[in-house]
Amino acid sequence: QSVLTQPPSASGTPGQRVTISCSGSRSNIGSNSVNWYQQLPGTAPKLLIYSNSLRPSGVPDRFSGSKSGTSVSLAISGLQSEDEADYYCAAWDDSLNGYVFGTGTKVTVL
Amino acid sequence: QITLKESGPTLVKPTQTLTLTCTFSGFSLSTSGMGVGWIRQPPGEALEWLALIYWDDDKRYSPSLKSRLTITKDTSKNKVVLTVTTMDPVDTATYYCVHLSGTHVMDVWGQGTTVTVSS
Repeated sequence: QSVLTQPPSASGTPGQRVTISCSGSRSNIGSNSVNWYQQLPGTAPKLLIYSNSLRPSGVPDRFSGSKSGTSVSLAISGLQSEDEADYYCAAWDDSLNGYVFGTGTKVTVL
Repeated sequence: QITLKESGPTLVKPTQTLTLTCTFSGFSLSTSGMGVGWIRQPPGEALEWLALIYWDDDKRYSPSLKSRLTITKDTSKNKVVLTVTTMDPVDTATYYCVHLSGTHVMDVWGQGTTVTVSS
């Protein structure tokens, strides 16, 4: 039931930069801010990025978000082993009058 | 510090109604801008938004599940309750409650509670 599309997986070696895309439509990403969530194995999701590009207190500046039209991207620079997790984008959808999540991307540190 | 904790049955039978309670602290649902939402995650699958309720009793539901969901709040007890009717094995999932701030930002999550639907 995910309305936002993400690649199922992404990977990199320690220190590399990894980028995850999230594609939506005019009614969600095109009209509203996007948030990103990180879900470490066996734990609850955690807010990573909000309002497209802002980091909550405590989130390393290795994580950055950007938006262009109906797509957003999450970049992880200086990849670390503890970044191995599932990442989800999310936004409000004006047509559905509800919140929509992305399909999720599993990041593997090689 | 905002915390939320989900509680409810771990096992329900098909066709039964599921009642989940979110007990929170660190904020009041009588404060302008505050909200609580519910999200679920089937095993190995993506997150799915279910419902949310704001301080002014504004309620929103997932269109695909709207007929089966009811969300209510008890401001005096710092609790939010979600009921899901006609449970089915496909509703087996971990259910999370979340704190909402600003414009639909789910900034704090509960630990989640796992619900299995089986006869």
